[in-house]
Amino acid sequence: DVKVTQSSRYLVKRTGEKVFLECVQDMDHENMFWYRQDPGLGLRLIYFSYDVKMKEKGDIPEGYSVSREKKERFSLILESASTNQTSMYLCASSFSRTTRETQYFGPGTRLLVL
Amino acid sequence: AQKVTQAQTEISVVEKEDVTLDCVYETRDTTYYLFWYKQPPSGELVFLIRRNSFDEQNEISGRYSWNFQKSTSSFNFTITASQVVDSAVYFCALSEIGKTSGSRLTFGEGTQLTVNP
Repeated sequence: DVKVTQSSRYLVKRTGEKVFLECVQDMDHENMFWYRQDPGLGLRLIYFSYDVKMKEKGDIPEGYSVSREKKERFSLILESASTNQTSMYLCASSFSRTTRETQYFGPGTRLLVL
Repeated sequence: AQKVTQAQTEISVVEKEDVTLDCVYETRDTTYYLFWYKQPPSGELVFLIRRNSFDEQNEISGRYSWNFQKSTSSFNFTITASQVVDSAVYFCALSEIGKTSGSRLTFGEGTQLTVNP
């Protein structure tokens, strides 16, 4: 079974703090994704990566950065957290960038920025 | 641009009723995949099905069935004899080809299904 794990289920941070969200997959997948989910807006893609050290902006990259130093790990960084970044963050991975492989999701991190 | 529309924001049914969740999509690709995911209250998105644009055969898996109609750009999902455990948010999604990645998904806004005992 595909396993995607995220470092925290719930996180509370203060405005201005630097926040790291970690995601690890154990299936040797090439692609990894970060989404945020907000009521009425569905899932919106923040960043994705199709290889180690490679990254591409999604639909809403402003205020975020990412890091992929190892194939299995994809980190989302909020450089200076703001209250409008309070959201549910979902990480996903898929096998190959050349085919439309299924994305498998982690359990999500509910982030509250005070 | 790709777009997925789930017009039903919320649906409430009584247990054992059949329920259909609608999904309409827009794409310029001739080859694409469509997906359905389930998100229970725990939060994790669970993959349910993937359908290739060349395969318009309907699919049935237990109480779940999917009706793919390319002519109307729809990929509807039916739960037969619904159960309380089916209560969740259901997302329809469409794959697209990126410049460097082939597996980016566009999601609909989701349909909250509540099955009451």
